[in-house]
Amino acid sequence: DIQLTQSPSFLSASIGDRVTITCRASQGISNYLAWYQQKPGKAPKLLMYVAATLQSGVPSRFSGSGSGTEFTLTISSLQPEDFATYYCQQHNSYPLTFGGGTKVEIK
Amino acid sequence: EVQLVESGGGLVQPGGSLRLSCATSGFTFSDHYMDWVRQAPGKGLEWVGRTRNRANSYTTEYAASAKGRFTISRDDSRNSLYLQMNSLNTEDTAVYYCTRVRSSSWSGSFSDYWGQGTLVTVSS
Repeated sequence: DIQLTQSPSFLSASIGDRVTITCRASQGISNYLAWYQQKPGKAPKLLMYVAATLQSGVPSRFSGSGSGTEFTLTISSLQPEDFATYYCQQHNSYPLTFGGGTKVEIK
Repeated sequence: EVQLVESGGGLVQPGGSLRLSCATSGFTFSDHYMDWVRQAPGKGLEWVGRTRNRANSYTTEYAASAKGRFTISRDDSRNSLYLQMNSLNTEDTAVYYCTRVRSSSWSGSFSDYWGQGTLVTVSS
């Protein structure tokens, strides 16, 4: 199975900060990586797929990059509604797997 | 508007069974692969399994934790997805989400819409 390691697992940041979350795969997954945002008590919401394609309706302050085994999700200027937990998921091979999550909290 | 609504969760004893349902609307259900994803309380997301569409013979894939105990099925005439769970144990306690898979290619093999989830609690 492909293991996804997210870092950091917890991040404290201020409004307006640039935030970067990393997701590393245990083996190459081309660009078959998705990112999700989850707020407490809610279902996850798709942000990005094939590493760098923004889902319709997602603000352009979110961007993704990477290929192979290393990927990043960047929020260019953190907004109050961005405080949440973020997960990466590989969609390259079965079983599909998720990273452990990165919780972004207010400093 | 795409909608996914899960039901059937509840309290079940260890060793018991439960069947979850997911009613869908707002898209052509029969065209899409569908996934189940779960989340234990306070934990991360875990992919449970997938059913492909009719064009791909409704074949299924499962996580190791689900294989042999869980069965995913669908009824295209009812636009509904199901998860039959047998031999449940306390580690199966989680919110179970029904999700739509974007497309049948690997580039589209991710969940673009999620239901609100249904809580399954396995406890004596």
